[in-house]
Amino acid sequence: SQQGEEDPQALSIQEGENATMNCSYKTSINNLQWYRQNSGRGLVHLILIRSNEREKHSGRLRVTLDTSKKSSSLLITASRAADTASYFCARYGNNRLAFGKGNQVVVIP
Amino acid sequence: DTEVTQTPKHLVMGMTNKKSLKCEQHMGHRAMYWYKQKAKKPPELMFVYSYEKLSINESVPSRFSPECPNSSLLNLHLHALQPEDSALYLCASSQGAGISYTDTQYFGPGTRLTVL
Repeated sequence: SQQGEEDPQALSIQEGENATMNCSYKTSINNLQWYRQNSGRGLVHLILIRSNEREKHSGRLRVTLDTSKKSSSLLITASRAADTASYFCARYGNNRLAFGKGNQVVVIP
Repeated sequence: DTEVTQTPKHLVMGMTNKKSLKCEQHMGHRAMYWYKQKAKKPPELMFVYSYEKLSINESVPSRFSPECPNSSLLNLHLHALQPEDSALYLCASSQGAGISYTDTQYFGPGTRLTVL
């Protein structure tokens, strides 16, 4: 499959803790993107990491990419209740953006 | 304006009804998309329009009929749907017309469709 696939897990953490989720894929990529979806609403683009990058930061988000292991991780530091959402990795393959299975993150105030 | 709007937010229809979903963006994006998303699943691509022309149809049943009247608007016409078509329908747009791998997609809030 060309589709990125997160470890299918639901994560429940306390506010202020860090949340880490992973994404694996099976074929080569040009970049990997992460999106957030709040409670059945539209997806919001969070960050794009290119295949020649190993780490990228955006605010409280840190994304790593290991092309040798075909995996990526998304770290949210100092989580807030507003971070409660589903997080999807996505990659382009076959002229389309294919989403992984998603991780549900619940941040408890 | 970095917003993609979708109407209606919720739609309930019978299997014999004809309805339409609408999507609009004013970011000058050249590609627009329809996705279907079931609960606790990732979005599934249905259609892609590039420069107002249908470029990808993911073997979607003919009871779903897309239309792109102009570069800012995207419609999805619904007819004779089945209960299993109940889902969240998401519209998205991106700057690139060629579905460049560097493009990010901007999503609307979705239309929650229930087919009775």
